[in-house]
Amino acid sequence: EAQVTQNPRYLITVTGKKLTVTCSQNMNHEYMSWYRQDPGLGLRQIYYSMNVEVTDKGDVPEGYKVSRKEKRNFPLILESPSPNQTSLYFCASKTSGTPYNEQFFGPGTRLTVL
Amino acid sequence: LAKTTQPISMDSYEGQEVNITCSHNNIATNDYITWYQQFPSQGPRFIIQGYKTKVTNEVASLFIPADRKSSTLSLPRVSLSDTAVYYCLVGDEGAGNMLTFGGGTRLMVKP
Repeated sequence: EAQVTQNPRYLITVTGKKLTVTCSQNMNHEYMSWYRQDPGLGLRQIYYSMNVEVTDKGDVPEGYKVSRKEKRNFPLILESPSPNQTSLYFCASKTSGTPYNEQFFGPGTRLTVL
Repeated sequence: LAKTTQPISMDSYEGQEVNITCSHNNIATNDYITWYQQFPSQGPRFIIQGYKTKVTNEVASLFIPADRKSSTLSLPRVSLSDTAVYYCLVGDEGAGNMLTFGGGTRLMVKP
């Protein structure tokens, strides 16, 4: 089944404790992206990647890191999480090289930073 | 990036046609218009995409006037399960830009 998977789905952590949220897709998509969603603010893009080893900042990159060493994986790294990073996070992927913009989203990761 | 403006919320009743309009005055020549649907605690789901005129699929229709400064998502005969947030996006993936979701329109379908 074609899908985007994220792990963990739920995470409660404390300020300053480094964490990684994994994202993997099995559709051979070039483009991958991370979003955060907060009440009243809609979806905001954190980072995106057009292909392996190519990443760019989105709207709200501060406090986050990403890497794209393999085509299928795009982990989101919070080196020193803070309470304002408490949010619902979505990973997405899509094919590249065409104007077609259909993104496939993962199920989401709900992160709470205490 | 083309900024989009949508109504914050809309109400409708089962069986009615719903039209949600999105304004994107500074849309660029290469930009496409894409609509997504999102249910609570789920990731957004692609509905439809277009460049100009009208596009129709099994779920919805998308109307884009000649100047492309706005677009209208039309949902025929909505049901309770169409209650969701609908997002309009405008962008050119080929330019390597980020794709920005606006605030979306919260549609409430009532019995």
